[in-house]
Amino acid sequence: DTAVSQTPKYLVTQMGNDKSIKCEQNLGHDTMYWYKQDSKKFLKIMFSYNNKELIINETVPNRFSPKSPDKAHLNLHINSLELGDSAVYFCASSQRGYQETQYFGPGTRLLVL
Amino acid sequence: AQSVTQPDIHITVSEGASLELRCNYSYGATPYLFWYVQSPGQGLQLLLKYFSGDTLVQGIKGFEAEFKRSQSSFNLRKPSVHWSDAAEYFCAVGASSSNTGKLIFGQGTTLQVKP
Repeated sequence: DTAVSQTPKYLVTQMGNDKSIKCEQNLGHDTMYWYKQDSKKFLKIMFSYNNKELIINETVPNRFSPKSPDKAHLNLHINSLELGDSAVYFCASSQRGYQETQYFGPGTRLLVL
Repeated sequence: AQSVTQPDIHITVSEGASLELRCNYSYGATPYLFWYVQSPGQGLQLLLKYFSGDTLVQGIKGFEAEFKRSQSSFNLRKPSVHWSDAAEYFCAVGASSSNTGKLIFGQGTTLQVKP
């Protein structure tokens, strides 16, 4: 069984479109994260939810909106896509706490044309 | 502010040779340090982590790392590299001042292994 899964794996879309990426974890963790990895492979946290509560909200354009329907799911909706949004988006999960190991999904490769 | 620096963007070693990947961090309090590996087209996998205690930490796949507070370093080592170790390696620091699990990553080091 895949511990942290993301859909879709690849996403190619036009500028201005709205798209969503879904993430699910079956590890029983109560904290989930979204990271963005740019073309230079730099990885930066965007958001984190703990038990459906937003606990990390980095400086991210408000076109990005995370939603956590339950603690096993964390979705990322992006409005009015821009060229600069092209990146790999990773979902991760962990138990709550700075010592806990984060388990990453395989990533969603987003290309905005 | 916390930061992590991995001075080597790209490293090439021969299979069977030893490896050391450098990581320097900046953090005012006790750092919580991690090394993750990313294989091509994959997500990140934890190799090892350090919180306290013995400054030499053993991880998976034969990797180890040594925490040196005086040098603000947490370098990753492996005595004999295998071709399957070719990947991207990320050092990260976690903030003990908050309980959010926020990680700050370095820019990564790409490891190439020559046959």
